[in-house]
Amino acid sequence: EPEVTQTPSHQVTQMGQEVILRCVPISNHLYFYWYRQILGQKVEFLVSFYNNEISEKSEIFDDQFSVERPDGSNFTLKIRSTKLEDSAMYFCASSAQVTGAGETQYFGPGTRLLVL
Amino acid sequence: QQQVKQSPQSLIVQKGGISIINCAYENTAFDYFPWYQQFPGKGPALLIAIRPDVSEKKEGRFTISFNKSAKQFSLHIMDSQPGDSATYFCAARTGANNLFFGTGTRLTVIP
Repeated sequence: EPEVTQTPSHQVTQMGQEVILRCVPISNHLYFYWYRQILGQKVEFLVSFYNNEISEKSEIFDDQFSVERPDGSNFTLKIRSTKLEDSAMYFCASSAQVTGAGETQYFGPGTRLLVL
Repeated sequence: QQQVKQSPQSLIVQKGGISIINCAYENTAFDYFPWYQQFPGKGPALLIAIRPDVSEKKEGRFTISFNKSAKQFSLHIMDSQPGDSATYFCAARTGANNLFFGTGTRLTVIP
């Protein structure tokens, strides 16, 4: 069964450093998402992406964050200058459509980011 | 407005019992309400979902009840099994398919 994959599974970085989290969405999906989950809290929407553009972003997704689809398979989330409060599990998700039968979002296993 | 409230925070049920998790929302623009199941170390996985034009949806042991006027929906797990022990998140979706999650319920089913 196709699945969303994410690398690395764990990342430890120093405050102020840049990190890039990588995701490989399901191959025929067109819509991509990033969510984060601070330990013990709910999953929060960060950004959605379609046709090489951001569709929507939340208040959390400030100028320190950016997303990119550098090639036909990868989808990345970059945090330019990490802060302690960026420590969280970051989930990538993808869907075939936004409505109807293909609307289900499939989540990857996550990248646990720890900022020291 | 995008908030989804979920209760209880944790739930312990005997094997064979019924697990009930409740959610409430404010934004009437939400048009799709999925429930996700998350096991430790894994990403959330879709369990069952409902649209607001339907009051109930059943898939196997899992049922969503939806009350549009009260802006509430709930997940019922019948004949709960130890393998159902996980964290359950309700969510609500905007037209752009962006999900807003509840705070999660950690379910433990005791054998």
